[in-house]
Amino acid sequence: DAGVIQSPRHEVTEMGQEVTLRCKPISGHNSLFWYRQTMMRGLELLIYFNNNVPIDDSGMPEDRFSAKMPNASFSTLKIQPSEPRDSAVYFCASSFRTGQAAFFGQGTRLTVV
Amino acid sequence: TQLLEQSPQFLSIQEGENLTVYCNSSSVFSSLQWYRQEPGEGPVLLVTVVTGGEVKKLKRLTFQFGDARKDSSLHITAAQPGDTGLYLCAPVSGNTPLVFGKGTRLSVIA
Repeated sequence: DAGVIQSPRHEVTEMGQEVTLRCKPISGHNSLFWYRQTMMRGLELLIYFNNNVPIDDSGMPEDRFSAKMPNASFSTLKIQPSEPRDSAVYFCASSFRTGQAAFFGQGTRLTVV
Repeated sequence: TQLLEQSPQFLSIQEGENLTVYCNSSSVFSSLQWYRQEPGEGPVLLVTVVTGGEVKKLKRLTFQFGDARKDSSLHITAAQPGDTGLYLCAPVSGNTPLVFGKGTRLSVIA
């Protein structure tokens, strides 16, 4: 298996633009997580899905953030409109079940200017 | 609310030295996972400790789970530059998603 695949690896966008981050989890994993990492706040959980259903989105900072998982092999995290304070590395991770070992993608480094 | 603290935040040592980093929580948890994150990459699982008092070894890395299952330590013997990275702990409580500490950023200088 190729592991968790995220795209793009890097994204630079202007404030106000829409940003969409993509994730392909490991086949057979039932749980998918979106995290955001900054130096100040560390690795924060934004939202997670079980069997493609959003379970907890309390970590999503604002209504500008939304996430979908239309099927077991694909998820998106969208920011609209983006702001400079959204600049961070966004990670997608998957696991066989929630609470078990998580496998992370390489992350998307987002810079909003 | 569970409080999770990792210490030290930063550690810079010479190759060959020994070190210990700590993960402390205000709550009891069923198990704990340790991850290492290298620059430009996502975290990678090193080990899961499950039983209070458990000790697990991974080559030069020794992981210990506290008797009360509220804390854990990671000891590295004879550190090498390849050990450089961010060490993250993630306590597990039942069927809930992983919540990570802020980590210990280790730099091993050759």
